[in-house]
Amino acid sequence: QQQVKQSPQSLIVQKGGISIINCAYENTAFDYFPWYQQFPGKGPALLIAIRPDVSEKKEGRFTISFNKSAKQFSLHIMDSQPGDSATYFCAAGKLSFGAGTTVTVRA
Amino acid sequence: DGGITQSPKYLFRKEGQNVTLSCEQNLNHDAMYWYRQDPGQGLRLIYYSQIVNDFQKGDIAEGYSVSREKKESFPLTVTSAQKNPTAFYLCASSRGAASTDTQYFGPGTRLTVL
Repeated sequence: QQQVKQSPQSLIVQKGGISIINCAYENTAFDYFPWYQQFPGKGPALLIAIRPDVSEKKEGRFTISFNKSAKQFSLHIMDSQPGDSATYFCAAGKLSFGAGTTVTVRA
Repeated sequence: DGGITQSPKYLFRKEGQNVTLSCEQNLNHDAMYWYRQDPGQGLRLIYYSQIVNDFQKGDIAEGYSVSREKKESFPLTVTSAQKNPTAFYLCASSRGAASTDTQYFGPGTRLTVL
């Protein structure tokens, strides 16, 4: 069974807009929540990560919001750029990944 | 130039044949992993190894085998017992087994069974 549920499966956003991807997990033992970015034909690369004792983490245009009580976390991409077009995966712990969200940024 | 290399990039196999995917890292990482990626299903763990000469099954190990004879190498064999092997295979490594140890992924091998 999938331990991490990710939505939406895909989204399209205009350049300059905000992309929001949501994830929910089940196991409260997870202590690390990374997000990965993957371009077509390439391997994923770590984008940003958060520990459960923090409610928000921001790195440049990328922000993770974390709600421990709801067991949910989300990735916000501010001022989305065409170069952000990629597939994004959330993960809980090291080995449990969401199904991925394909983000397309229209110029 | 440190990193993870996977070869070949594309691989074609006839049904009933075993095939081995290569994964090498020069990051001096202790832990290595194999994932399978299918459209809409994210990354699913096949096998992982935390140290040389030791490895554990992941969520979908059936039909696959691995070895870890050297720290830098973690080859994956897709056997004929794997019923649906066509997929994108990703190898990764991390410094250690802690959940906060970043995983670094290779460029992947796309396997197609004809």
